[in-house]
Amino acid sequence: NAGVTQTPKFRILKIGQSMTLQCTQDMNHNYMYWYRQDPGMGLKLIYYSVGAGITDKGEVPNGYNVSRSTTEDFPLRLELAAPSQTSVYFCASSYSNGGYNEQFFGPGTRLTVL
Amino acid sequence: GENVEQHPSTLSVQEGDSAVIKCTYSDSASNYFPWYKQELGKRPQLIIDIRSNVGEKKDQRIAVTLNKTAKHFSLHITETQPEDSAVYFCAAVKAAGNKLTFGGGTRVLVKP
Repeated sequence: NAGVTQTPKFRILKIGQSMTLQCTQDMNHNYMYWYRQDPGMGLKLIYYSVGAGITDKGEVPNGYNVSRSTTEDFPLRLELAAPSQTSVYFCASSYSNGGYNEQFFGPGTRLTVL
Repeated sequence: GENVEQHPSTLSVQEGDSAVIKCTYSDSASNYFPWYKQELGKRPQLIIDIRSNVGEKKDQRIAVTLNKTAKHFSLHITETQPEDSAVYFCAAVKAAGNKLTFGGGTRVLVKP
């Protein structure tokens, strides 16, 4: 299993540009998550999904959108990029049947907005 | 919502000494407390976790304790080694939401 994969690894955007960060997992996990990690800080939840077709906001959703059309994929869309969105973005997945189980993280996407 | 405070923000220890990191949480409904280790430029990786029906858990040189009444939990690393140098994050989860709330992190430096 590849686990959780993310593309791209690095990206530089200009202010006002848009992009999609890709995330795929091959563990048949029902839960998927997007976090951002600013330099020297902890991770903050942007959006999460409990299954295909279901998404919900986390702590810092403004400026982002997500969709979950399949179990495997959970892309994160940035519209009108701003310097405040410069961060490292981590996708994660977990399996839940009512309880809580470990979240597995992808390698991250380092985004710079200039 | 949940709020997790983590202390200290940096910790420098001599190789072989012990390191202790403390976290407090605000939501008494939280019932799962994982600890993640993040090396520079890498993804967070789970090193140990504890559920609310357990007071202490050990895994070799790492142990975690939980005090539900006081709403705090701690990570203990004994016989520290240079490869323990990393940033450590605590987190709290409510089973109903399955959402992790992270502490701010502790940068641990083990000096040889």
